[in-house]
Amino acid sequence: KAGVTQTPRYLIKTRGQQVTLSCSPISGHRSVSWYQQTPGQGLQFLFEYFSETQRNKGNFPGRFSGRQFSNSRSEMNVSTLELGDSALYLCASSTKSGGNTGELFFGEGSRLTVL
Amino acid sequence: AQSVSQHNHHVILSEAASLELGCNYSYGGTVNLFWYVQYPGQHLQLLLKYFSGDPLVKGIKGFEAEFIKSKFSFNLRKPSVQWSDTAEYFCAVAQPPNFGNEKLTFGTGTRLTIIP
Repeated sequence: KAGVTQTPRYLIKTRGQQVTLSCSPISGHRSVSWYQQTPGQGLQFLFEYFSETQRNKGNFPGRFSGRQFSNSRSEMNVSTLELGDSALYLCASSTKSGGNTGELFFGEGSRLTVL
Repeated sequence: AQSVSQHNHHVILSEAASLELGCNYSYGGTVNLFWYVQYPGQHLQLLLKYFSGDPLVKGIKGFEAEFIKSKFSFNLRKPSVQWSDTAEYFCAVAQPPNFGNEKLTFGTGTRLTIIP
């Protein structure tokens, strides 16, 4: 079955712009999480959605937001881009519906460059 | 807040050498522990996980990890590495709240290079 799909794979923006990234989870997966990966900070948790509800949020400013649709697809948005937002944004899905599965299935990421 | 430390940033080994990558976490309560691997050009994937029970867990491709609660450690091991093990390895920790543990705290990763 198809894996986690993220679009776009690469994008370049300038400071002050906004960006929307999309994630399609594995069919049947209802939990979608987002992570930011940078060389200096590693992987940092942004937020997690389950059944269109945000259940967890990391320590990122309000410029970072997300949502999940009824088909479990998710989007994240970053407004007023800063140079420091340049990173690989990873989406991960899981089968979690209440119990622990512990396994996240990651997409290949969307690489954002802010100039 | 919990944190994860991976002390080795870059490890270089020859094929057939034994491997041990260190991972320590800071949270004192019950945790679930994971090792994820990212092969060159590929997405992150789960190598192995520990929830409870036998502290020695086995994963894919001959990897294993040992949970030592008293040391807050979850070191990854492999007795004999192969060139195909070249990858970046991430240790991760999650607290098991009532509704799951999708919020993972990752270490900064260890880049493993295997020389043929």
